[in-house]
Order: sequence, then C-alpha cells, then structure tokens
Amino acid sequence: AIQMTQSPSSLSASVGDRVTITCRASQGIRNELGWYQQKPGKAPKLLIYAASSLQSGVPSRFSGRGSGTDFTLTITSLQPEDFATYYCLHDFNYPRTFGQGTKVEIK
Amino acid sequence: EVQLVESGGGLVQPGGSLRLSCAASGFTFSRFWMIWVRQAPGRGLEWVANIKQDGSLIYYVDSVKGRFTISRDNAKNSLYLQMNSLRVEDTALYYCTRDQSYSDSRGYYDAFDLWGQGTLVTVSS
Repeated sequence: AIQMTQSPSSLSASVGDRVTITCRASQGIRNELGWYQQKPGKAPKLLIYAASSLQSGVPSRFSGRGSGTDFTLTITSLQPEDFATYYCLHDFNYPRTFGQGTKVEIK
Repeated sequence: EVQLVESGGGLVQPGGSLRLSCAASGFTFSRFWMIWVRQAPGRGLEWVANIKQDGSLIYYVDSVKGRFTISRDNAKNSLYLQMNSLRVEDTALYYCTRDQSYSDSRGYYDAFDLWGQGTLVTVSS
C-alpha cells in the first residue's frame, strides 16, 4: 500500500498568514491526489482534486501543487474559518490511503 | 437536497455484527462509485471500502477483508456495510461518501465530493 506522509502534524498560525502543508507519497502517484478539510465534529470537505484543481465553491486562497511523490496545499491569507485539520488522499490505486492529517491552530 | 444519511451504528460486543446503511438523495445514486470511510476517536481518516456503480467491483482495506461486506441497492438509493466479527479497533465514526470522477487533459481522477454526517460504531464489552 502507498504510504502518505504529511508534514507538519500541526502548526500554529495567525489570521492573514500564508500556510503550506506538505504530503509525500511512498511511490509516484502522478497527480492523483486530493486535499480535504475537516472541522471538529464535521464531515470532511473536498478542497482540491487532481493535485491542483479547485473543487467548485472552494475559495481561491486554497491552492495545490505537485506531481509524482511531493505535493503541497497552500492557504494564502489564512481566515478564521480555515482553522481545521487537513488531509491528503491519493486515488492512484487501491487501497486508497490518507495522510495522517495536519492540524492548523490559531496562534 | 443532495445528501447522504448514515444509520445503523451503535454499541456491540467484540465478535458481534452490525449493518450500516446510507440513504442517498438528490442525485442519481446509480451513476456513482460509493465508499465507506471511518475515523477512530481522535484519529485520522481511513478508507474502508469502495463499490462500483453496478456492484461488480469492490475493494477493501486489508484490515476488514473477510469480515466486512459492502453492498448497494440502486433501486433504493442505498449503500450498506455489513460488519461481522467486530473488533475493538473497529470502533469509529463511519462515513458514507460519494466518489466523483473528474477528467482533464492530464488524465482521470476520483475524489470524495459528498459526505454524510457519519454513524458511530462502538465495539466494547
């Protein structure tokens, strides 16, 4: 199974900051990766698919990059509603695997 | 309204069984692969199983193979997860989710674009 490793596991940031989260796959997955946001007590929400395509309705301050094994999710100008846990998920083959999550907290 | 609503969770003893259901509405259920994802308390997300539109292809995470069975009834717009031989480590919030397909010049992709609110399964003596 492909292992997905996110870093950092958590970070503290202020409103208005630029935040970057990294996800590394244990083998090449082309650009078959998505990013999800989960707030406490809520179901996850799709932000990005195909590594860099923004899901409909998601604010443009979210962006994704990468291909192969290394991927990033960037939030420009962090907003209060962006404090949440973020997960990457590959769709290259089965089993699908999520990263362990990155919790973005208020500084 | 486009939504997924899970039900069937509860408290069960180790070795017991439980059947989860997911009712879909507001979209053509039969056009989509469907998925179960779980989340143990305070932990991350884990993909559990996928089923193709007509049920002809199914995939499971290794830890549930031989114990869990995913199925669907397109006439009832419903997804199911039969869970047998339950273990303490199966304790989690189980989400039903829809697999949306996308394509562009680079290829084809899948992503989980619609989620239910989850149903809690607790395995404990």
